[in-house]
Amino acid sequence: DAGITQSPRHKVTETGTPVTLRCHQTENHRYMYWYRQDPGHGLRLIHYSYGVKDTDKGEVSDGYSVSRSKTEDFLLTLESATSSQTSVYFCAISESGAGRSPLHFGNGTRLTVT
Amino acid sequence: GQQVMQIPQYQHVQEGEDFTTYCNSSTTLSNIQWYKQRPGGHPVFLIQLVKSGEVKKQKRLTFQFGEAKKNSSLHITATQTTDVGTYFCAGPRSNYQLIWGAGTKLIIKP
Repeated sequence: DAGITQSPRHKVTETGTPVTLRCHQTENHRYMYWYRQDPGHGLRLIHYSYGVKDTDKGEVSDGYSVSRSKTEDFLLTLESATSSQTSVYFCAISESGAGRSPLHFGNGTRLTVT
Repeated sequence: GQQVMQIPQYQHVQEGEDFTTYCNSSTTLSNIQWYKQRPGGHPVFLIQLVKSGEVKKQKRLTFQFGEAKKNSSLHITATQTTDVGTYFCAGPRSNYQLIWGAGTKLIIKP
């Protein structure tokens, strides 16, 4: 498996609290992605990054922000968590962009918002 | 808008039977990718098809890309318990984003 580490693996938090999920890669890939996966909805793109400090929105970006200050780290922040953000979050990396080269996923973070 | 439809949603098979999942795009695709996700796991890349009419095999798995580059299929011969999981197809929305099928869940009947 590609060198991708997500932390934490599990998190329970209360509604209204801020939460930050971290993705760390050792592959030096330019492109990094945050997806969420929910039953009945498959994989949905939240945000992605195409370089340091370069990010763009995906299809479900409301309520989420991201930052990429180093090639190896991509952070996902829920500014004020809501119950609808209870989900499994996957980070993924791609060498040339997901439309051109495969995605390699981290093990995921299971987030529960109570 | 662009859509990728994947059928069936579920398939129950006896161990040893074959399994097929189909993927259909509303637009011509430059490539199509297939992923497998085991229960409780993360999606794992299986293969990328690029050429019209391409057929690729990985042991018991056969992947096809249609002549019009709008459809694809994954066929597993003689399923084993290790094949259990959800199989996803995905095509490019852009150079940077994929559009995903909803996945087909393979269930092995006891």
